[in-house]
Amino acid sequence: EDQVTQSPEALRLQEGESSSLNCSYTVSGLRGLFWYRQDPGKGPEFLFTLYSAGEEKEKERLKATLTKKESFLHITAPKPEDSATYLCAVQARRTSGSRLTFGEGTQLTVNP
Amino acid sequence: DTGVSQDPRHKITKRGQNVTFRCDPISEHNRLYWYRQTLGQGPEFLTYFQNEAQLEKSRLLSDRFSAERPKGSFSTLEIQRTEQGDSAMYLCASSFAMAQYFGPGTRLTVL
Repeated sequence: EDQVTQSPEALRLQEGESSSLNCSYTVSGLRGLFWYRQDPGKGPEFLFTLYSAGEEKEKERLKATLTKKESFLHITAPKPEDSATYLCAVQARRTSGSRLTFGEGTQLTVNP
Repeated sequence: DTGVSQDPRHKITKRGQNVTFRCDPISEHNRLYWYRQTLGQGPEFLTYFQNEAQLEKSRLLSDRFSAERPKGSFSTLEIQRTEQGDSAMYLCASSFAMAQYFGPGTRLTVL
């Protein structure tokens, strides 16, 4: 069974204080790893897809990296508007085109 | 706005009533997904359509749940004889390639 574990559960940063969120995964044949941002009361917003170990993607202050066992979401010089829950999800090759398995998320708060 | 839309956004019902939710995907997307999310948890997969064919259902989808996508466009999710444990956010997503794009969700409260 595919499993995704995210840490920490919650993270509080000061504006400008860089940090990283972790996503550890177990999947039989990774097709893709996904990062989403979710604001309270809203649906998840797609950020990145990573396909293979060593791959990196960047968007504004966010950079996602992937190894064979985990992914990191690095946040550089965060701003209060980066406050949200960040979700990690995996899709297995055997379920191509189908389900994503999500972690429970990391709730990020950035204080001004 | 050309994103995924869901209706209604909020639904309050009494235990034992039937409810139906609608999802309109992004127009060129042939795949449509339903997920359920409870507070503090990540979304859990319920079911998946490619065009009008329902290709996969989670064991979470009990006999009280049914989903349709009759013409390969919009989809409906019906819950019969609702229970308090059905209270959750019901999310719809659509895709054409890898990334799944989510709608705003329908918040269901069962009293």
